[in-house]
Order: sequence, then structure tokens, then C-alpha cells
Amino acid sequence: DVKVTQSSRYLVKRTGEKVFLECVQDMDHENMFWYRQDPGLGLRLIYFSYDVKMKEKGDIPEGYSVSREKKERFSLILESASTNQTSMYLCASSSRPGLEQETQYFGPGTRLLVL
Amino acid sequence: AQRVTQPEKLLSVFKGAPVELKCNYSYSGSPELFWYVQYSRQRLQLLLRHISRESIKGFTADLNKGETSFHLKKPFAQEEDSAMYYCALLNNAGNMLTFGGGTRLMVKP
Repeated sequence: DVKVTQSSRYLVKRTGEKVFLECVQDMDHENMFWYRQDPGLGLRLIYFSYDVKMKEKGDIPEGYSVSREKKERFSLILESASTNQTSMYLCASSSRPGLEQETQYFGPGTRLLVL
Repeated sequence: AQRVTQPEKLLSVFKGAPVELKCNYSYSGSPELFWYVQYSRQRLQLLLRHISRESIKGFTADLNKGETSFHLKKPFAQEEDSAMYYCALLNNAGNMLTFGGGTRLMVKP
């Protein structure tokens, strides 16, 4: 069974702080994703990675960066948190396109509050 | 650019009533569409995908290319169907999903 875990369920940070959100998957998936989930806006892709040390911008990358040093781990970094980054953050992973189980598996989410 | 629209933010029905959650898409390629569901306090999970042409938990969804729609249907809603539902479209490379804004389904007893 695919397991995607996120380091924190809830985080409270202050404006200007540097924030790290960690995601780990145990299925040897190539692709990993970070989304933010906001009411009425659905899920919006921030960044994704299709291989170690590779990253691609999603729809809303501004104010965020990512790191993928190991295949199983994908980190989202808020260099200087702002109140408009208060949101639920979801990590997901998937296998390479063309493989039978090509769907995204999601973590439980991290609810971030920036004061 | 690909786009997914779910026009209803909230859909409320009584138990046993039919339910239809609407999803429209815009995409220049051959679409591959999914429905994801998030029950209260659970993680987002795949409900069904159009290429499988399957019925999951009594739900079905038919791709209508003429109307660019992929509506989710169930003939008799159950209280345990209450959840947030997201329609999603896969890109041509097969590595990115675009999600709609989501529809919250409430099934009343």
C-alpha cells in the first residue's frame, strides 16, 4: 500500500520565518508534487519533481522553492512566510507515465497558519 | 492551457436521491480525466478514472467529448457519500493533474 507522509499535520509560523514542509513516499515513485488546497480554488500545483534534483514550476510557484535530494523525499520551502500562504499543503507522488498504477497518491496534508 | 471547472461549490441532496456532480474541461489534446474524493479527516484519494469505465461505490462518470464534460453520477445517494469531490485532468505528458475547484456533497438523512 502506497504511503505518503508529511512531517507535520499543523504548523503555526510568523510572517518572515523560513518554513520547511517535508514529504516522504515509500513506493519508489519518480514523480512528486506539492499543492495548496484552498476553499473554492481546489488544488493548485506549486511545484513538481520528476526525478532527483529535478524540479518544475507549477501554476503558483511564487514565494516557494523545493528540494529533491533523494528520490523518496520532496521538500517545500517558504523562504519568508507571508499571511497569504496560510493554507492546507498537500504532497502527492506517482509513478512514471505509462505504468499501470499511474495515479497520484496523497499525503494527509499540513495545515499552515502564518501569523 | 488546460482548465477544469466544477460549477457547484456545494450540492445538497437527500438520502436516496440521484446526484450529479458537474465537471467541464478545456483541453486541446485527448483528455484523461479522474474524480478524486476527500472524506472528512481523510486524505484525498482516487475515486475513478474514465479510461477504466468502472463503477466505484455506485458512482459512474462518462466522458462526453462533444460537451467537454465528465459529470459524476450516482442514482441513489447515501449519507456516507458526503465528501469533497474534485475533478482532475491529466496533461499529455501524463505527469501533471489540473484540478477543478471542488464540490462539497452533503447527503442529508
